[in-house]
Amino acid sequence: AQSVTQLDSHVSVSEGTPVLLRCNYSSSYSPSLFWYVQHPNKGLQLLLKYTSAATLVKGINGFEAEFKKSETSFHLTKPSAHMSDAAEYFCVVSDREDDKIIFGKGTRLHILP
Amino acid sequence: KAGVTQTPRYLIKTRGQQVTLSCSPISGHRSVSWYQQTPGQGLQFLFEYFSETQRNKGNFPGRFSGRQFSNSRSEMNVSTLELGDSALYLCASSFWTDDNYGYTFGSGTRLTVV
Repeated sequence: AQSVTQLDSHVSVSEGTPVLLRCNYSSSYSPSLFWYVQHPNKGLQLLLKYTSAATLVKGINGFEAEFKKSETSFHLTKPSAHMSDAAEYFCVVSDREDDKIIFGKGTRLHILP
Repeated sequence: KAGVTQTPRYLIKTRGQQVTLSCSPISGHRSVSWYQQTPGQGLQFLFEYFSETQRNKGNFPGRFSGRQFSNSRSEMNVSTLELGDSALYLCASSFWTDDNYGYTFGSGTRLTVV
């Protein structure tokens, strides 16, 4: 069975400082992992995805994530936060055997001026 | 390439009524899945359709149903609406190849039950 845990429900960082949003997963098979972002009153936008290729995945808007199988983690990072990054971020796990995708509870990112 | 289109964007219904939401996937995508998003429960999987067949179903009551047409468009129906059905309903269109797959979400339909 799959599951995904986003370790922080809220993260606050100052503009220009690094962002770290943490995600741990469990999956019976080789998982695919995604990060999605949702701005207020908007739908979900794919930031990046891992599907068994390179373990360091680069996404849009300067975000990247590293798949660490030994730690069952897929943390999202960005070197320098921008005000426009304020949104809710969802870590998602899926595997082709199960044909389901599971969302984390989400992490709301606040950017302080 | 057009994205995933969900209609309507907003909907207000009264308790006991029924509602039908529509989702048009990206051209060429054959799988459509539906999710309910609420502040309390987060994002929850409703069901998934592939080639007009329901392939997976989440833990929702039978009041929630769906179908998929031959052109891959999907509809979701909720009967006997309850206040707790107020939510953002998201549809995702997905594709698979041998070495890649992914999901693209629509902007959602925000349903308010009064």
